[in-house]
Amino acid sequence: DTAVSQTPKYLVTQMGNDKSIKCEQNLGHDTMYWYKQDSKKFLKIMFSYNNKELIINETVPNRFSPKSPDKAHLNLHINSLELGDSAVYFCASSQVAGAPEQYFGPGTRLTVT
Amino acid sequence: KQEVTQIPAALSVPEGENLVLNCSFTDSAIYNLQWFRQDPGKGLTSLLLIQSSQREQTSGRLNASLDKSSGRSTLYIAASQPGDSATYLCAVNQAGTALIFGKGTTLSVSS
Repeated sequence: DTAVSQTPKYLVTQMGNDKSIKCEQNLGHDTMYWYKQDSKKFLKIMFSYNNKELIINETVPNRFSPKSPDKAHLNLHINSLELGDSAVYFCASSQVAGAPEQYFGPGTRLTVT
Repeated sequence: KQEVTQIPAALSVPEGENLVLNCSFTDSAIYNLQWFRQDPGKGLTSLLLIQSSQREQTSGRLNASLDKSSGRSTLYIAASQPGDSATYLCAVNQAGTALIFGKGTTLSVSS
């Protein structure tokens, strides 16, 4: 059983489109995260939700809107996609906010053409 | 603002060598430090987690140390193998929230 899963694994789309990436964790964790890994492989936090509530929102364009329908899911919706949004997006979870260990999903490679 | 730096950015070694990867962070007020491995096109695998109160952690051929006061951590890999080739990421957990990552060290071990 995959602990943290993401769909899709690959996403190719054109500029201006709206797309969503889904994340689910079956670990019973309270906290979930979205990270972005850019073309230079640098990983940076975007958002964090604790029990469906937003607790971290880094400087991310408001075209990015996370949604947490329940504490096992944290989806990322992106409006009006731009070339610079091309990256690998990783979902992660931890037992509670600030718990020592975070578990990462396999990543979603988004390519905007 | 916390910054994490990893040196070197890339490293190539022949099989069998022992090696050290370095990680430094600017703010010593951390909860813990994690070392991850990332294979090309794959996700992150947690290797070792060191709590702020600990000095080191060991798992097999890997040993990670933490000197919080000087803002440094090292990952020691003994008797390197081609299968160790990957990017190694250091991340600190500060204020009990999200991880702050370094840019990684890409390791290549030749047979």
